[in-house]
Amino acid sequence: SAVISQKPSRDICQRGTSLTIQCQVDSQVTMMFWYRQQPGQSLTLIATANQGSEATYESGFVIDKFPISRPNLTFSTLTVSNMSPEDSSIYLCSARGLAGGPSYEQYFGPGTRLTVT
Amino acid sequence: TQLLEQSPQFLSIQEGENLTVYCNSSSVFSSLQWYRQEPGEGPVLLVTVVTGGEVKKLKRLTFQFGDARKDSSLHITAAQPGDTGLYLCAGAERGGYQKVTFGIGTKLQVIP
Repeated sequence: SAVISQKPSRDICQRGTSLTIQCQVDSQVTMMFWYRQQPGQSLTLIATANQGSEATYESGFVIDKFPISRPNLTFSTLTVSNMSPEDSSIYLCSARGLAGGPSYEQYFGPGTRLTVT
Repeated sequence: TQLLEQSPQFLSIQEGENLTVYCNSSSVFSSLQWYRQEPGEGPVLLVTVVTGGEVKKLKRLTFQFGDARKDSSLHITAAQPGDTGLYLCAGAERGGYQKVTFGIGTKLQVIP
């Protein structure tokens, strides 16, 4: 399995500011993803982070609002830009495709709890 | 986009009772995974089922993949308070990209 860490674990931010969340995987992975989750609810995929190219965004999510970087096979960042209270949520980093493992098994970081005031 | 229906969405039971959570779709998945998530943490992978009709056991948890690979169930025997959490099923589509679709989740509370 993979161990995924995220920083920060939580933050309280003011409306109009931006926050960058970092995700580090302890081994090389093929695919990395960013999800959003309201407490106690299911996951909504924001985008797939692609190494060396622009992220692939799901319907309803755009690059200007959620810029994503993936400089290598173990690290990615998600920025939540120009935040509003509606962006308050838990943001989860996920990874799939560990070297030597099944491509379909997906692992998650502990999440970043964001509150926008 | 393939949809996964998960039921029930909420379940509150007494310690020692048995329960079953269902995950259904009209589409075929190449594999299906079950996760448990506790408050303040990310989902933790419990099991992956790949073969139609497959049954896997993890202590008091039994997972089954439907013969047609469209549905799955999670059965917990003699539930414990430590089983409390959000249970999510996730199906991987067939094909190279294998997009993963998550169910809505089942919030389980086991009362001591």
